[in-house]
Amino acid sequence: DQQVKQNSPSLSVQEGRISILNCDYTNSMFDYFLWYKKYPAEGPTFLISISSIKDKNEDGRFTVFLNKSAKHLSLHIVPSQPGDSAVYFCAALKGYKYIFGTGTRLKVLA
Amino acid sequence: DVKVTQSSRYLVKRTGEKVFLECVQDMDHENMFWYRQDPGLGLRLIYFSYDVKMKEKGDIPEGYSVSREKKERFSLILESASTNQTSMYLCASSLPQTGNTEAFFGQGTRLTVV
Repeated sequence: DQQVKQNSPSLSVQEGRISILNCDYTNSMFDYFLWYKKYPAEGPTFLISISSIKDKNEDGRFTVFLNKSAKHLSLHIVPSQPGDSAVYFCAALKGYKYIFGTGTRLKVLA
Repeated sequence: DVKVTQSSRYLVKRTGEKVFLECVQDMDHENMFWYRQDPGLGLRLIYFSYDVKMKEKGDIPEGYSVSREKKERFSLILESASTNQTSMYLCASSLPQTGNTEAFFGQGTRLTVV
């Protein structure tokens, strides 16, 4: 039972344009949602999070939007840079347990 | 800076061997986790621990056990390695949920079972 889903396995975006990564969840009881970035042969690194009581959080080029009625969150990267090319995982947190999606591979084309 | 260190980057083991994956964190975090990452399946939780000697099964605990004798160290044990345990293994740690939500990951151990 996949509680956190990333339905797009890959995404290609031109450098300088906006990248939008999407994530859906099924459980309304999650406390926080997080985005992680992962390069090959490295561990995931934290990007940005949002509390379940908010609908937007912004940090530099990264903005996360939460639509609770649709059980949907998205990560916007503006402008996209070649160094952003990586796999992005969304995660949901309930208590101390993190549940991850399957990941979206972002490729930013120079 | 929080540091989570996994003892090996790459390991090759034979089927049937007992395998130990070690993880150490230096920030006094209560919570520690073991995940495995497989293509198309994302990160799946194997076990987690919220205190010394405390552990809970995650989503895919079969074939694995864990040990947490000290707060900073969390070990994953493959009792009898099998080829379907070939994977990237990721250790993570976090504080209890007091508003700080981030889990910190180690660099990963790529395990190949032959």
